[in-house]
Amino acid sequence: GAGVSQSPRYKVAKRGQDVALRCDPISGHVSLFWYQQALGQGPEFLTYFQNEAQLDKSGLPSDRFFAERPEGSVSTLKIQRTQQEDSAVYLCASSLGLAGNTIYFGEGSWLTVV
Amino acid sequence: QKEVEQNSGPLSVPEGAIASLNCTYSDRVSQSFFWYRQYSGKSPELIMSIYSNGDKEDGRFTAQLNKASQYVSLLIRDSQPSDSATYLCAVNFGNEKLTFGTGTRLTIIP
Repeated sequence: GAGVSQSPRYKVAKRGQDVALRCDPISGHVSLFWYQQALGQGPEFLTYFQNEAQLDKSGLPSDRFFAERPEGSVSTLKIQRTQQEDSAVYLCASSLGLAGNTIYFGEGSWLTVV
Repeated sequence: QKEVEQNSGPLSVPEGAIASLNCTYSDRVSQSFFWYRQYSGKSPELIMSIYSNGDKEDGRFTAQLNKASQYVSLLIRDSQPSDSATYLCAVNFGNEKLTFGTGTRLTIIP
């Protein structure tokens, strides 16, 4: 596709509910990133894939967060037993796969936990 | 902990003036530096990248990098109301991921 596509754009979840956020990167982009952005803050790194391999998951805040990219294209970020502090924008980004390459962001998935 | 620091602002600049945005980072071995613009409710959009010391100009935007001082800045000439946004500084600390600052909120006053 022309850009990074994310769905759903908006999600309201009840506390304790599981959510799944989908990211479709730019065609041909090897690297895929998930970031979390709280209101008034910069994006915080969560995890990174190169093709289907999850090379860095150091930013995942707890074991309730899980990400996968089984075929090296579409990725899903799953949050189990959501808590209010999980409310944020979840940004997916992709790049061609070389260090220093430009990273392009999707529009984000806005998660509100009530 | 590798960090990127920005003044959160808000920074108010009259229309037509030069807006100067600053960023410092913690690691001398950093190789690549980026400025993203983020409008309220939208995702970050890349406006400049810079890899070597000195100035890089693109239209009304100039990025300045000083690796010895661990400092990168963005100048916006002839500021327009449409430049009002949050500007995010991002640094690649030698791997693929970017580390972002908290962003500087810029308001251009007509």
